[in-house]
Amino acid sequence: SQTIHQWPATLVQPVGSPLSLECTVEGTSNPNLYWYRQAAGRGLQLLFYSVGIGQISSEVPQNLSASRPQDRQFILSSKKLLLSDSGFYLCAWKRNTEAFFGQGTRLTVV
Amino acid sequence: EDKVVQSPLSLVVHEGDTVTLNCSYEVTNFRSLLWYKQEKKAPTFLFMLTSSGIEKKSGRLSSILDKKELSSILNITATQTGDSAIYLCAGNSGGSNYKLTFGKGTLLTVNP
Repeated sequence: SQTIHQWPATLVQPVGSPLSLECTVEGTSNPNLYWYRQAAGRGLQLLFYSVGIGQISSEVPQNLSASRPQDRQFILSSKKLLLSDSGFYLCAWKRNTEAFFGQGTRLTVV
Repeated sequence: EDKVVQSPLSLVVHEGDTVTLNCSYEVTNFRSLLWYKQEKKAPTFLFMLTSSGIEKKSGRLSSILDKKELSSILNITATQTGDSAIYLCAGNSGGSNYKLTFGKGTLLTVNP
């Protein structure tokens, strides 16, 4: 069966510090992978998606970047965090008709 | 640009009430519509709808898709306090468009 791991679960970082959130998927190959952000407990905003190694599509201009160094690994990064980067970040993978989520990372930038 | 709109944005009911949550979508190369329940952490999958008019049911929850109206509803009967959550609807596209577009969610609060 397929599983998706995301870590860390919570993170408190100072403004201006770097960020690296990691997501890995098991039990499938060549998955479509996604990073979403959820602010204030509302809808999910798509940040990045990737259909293969090294292929990243960005949905919104922002202070974040994503990379896919391996087939089942998706990384969300920032060189310098802003206060507005605080939120709940979710990694997901999708097969044809369904999507599955990691447990999420709650990021607080102070 | 793909768009999913949910209504109402929030809803407060009493235990035992029946609620209907709405979702409308404009999704390129539509493949399916997904419903999720989110309590504290990651959304948990409820239903996947691909065909119009066929009701999916799980206990007190049911959902149906109307492809002509580009919409879906999620019904919860005999609500319980444990149903309190954010309910998210997502439009799933296929073909060369791999996006999964979410609505803003409906925050349901069930009071005892």
